[in-house]
Amino acid sequence: EAGVAQSPRYKIIEKRQSVAFWCNPISGHATLYWYQQILGQGPKLLIQFQNNGVVDDSQLPKDRFSAERLKGVDSTLKIQPAKLEDSAVYLCASSPGLVSRTDTQYFGPGTRLTVL
Amino acid sequence: AQKVTQAQTEISVVEKEDVTLDCVYETRDTTYYLFWYKQPPSGELVFLIRRNSFDEQNEISGRYSWNFQKSTSSFNFTITASQVVDSAVYFCALSVLRAGNNRKLIWGLGTSLAVNP
Repeated sequence: EAGVAQSPRYKIIEKRQSVAFWCNPISGHATLYWYQQILGQGPKLLIQFQNNGVVDDSQLPKDRFSAERLKGVDSTLKIQPAKLEDSAVYLCASSPGLVSRTDTQYFGPGTRLTVL
Repeated sequence: AQKVTQAQTEISVVEKEDVTLDCVYETRDTTYYLFWYKQPPSGELVFLIRRNSFDEQNEISGRYSWNFQKSTSSFNFTITASQVVDSAVYFCALSVLRAGNNRKLIWGLGTSLAVNP
């Protein structure tokens, strides 16, 4: 069974530029998560989808970050415009069931973003 | 408060030593779940174990073992006969129930383990 796929693996941009990350979850997984992980810290949940609906985006900086999961499968996270403090690893994860269950989250390899 | 504390920021051992990574949690939930993940230098978070609050049985998987004690709110992880490939950051996480019947993972800050040859 294929794992969670993410692209690109690395991205370097100038501040105020835009960037987009893509995630394809494990086939059949209903719930998809985007996390931001700053060096030396644990992952911070940005947004959580159940199928194509947003369950939790309370920690998403909505003035610059946006995410979608239009067909309930793959997802895109966008930053526009980027700031220096957005430099981090962006992790995508998926889990099989609905958000009310405690399914294990399976993570992709992450995208390492550097904002100069 | 609902939180996870991993007091050890960094641990360095020599290969073949045993090492224990500590995890202490706080929660007001009566039903909760605990996880350990491994993050090697490649960056991907790898799932190691999940334990629910009603199951205090210790678990062993090869060189890995976990000790769950509700009395001390701890879920410690031991690697026996450590190997260089065990070098990684290890995260403990707690799954708690929030409003709207939605669960969320609360993460510790991680323990960076270096196993030296």
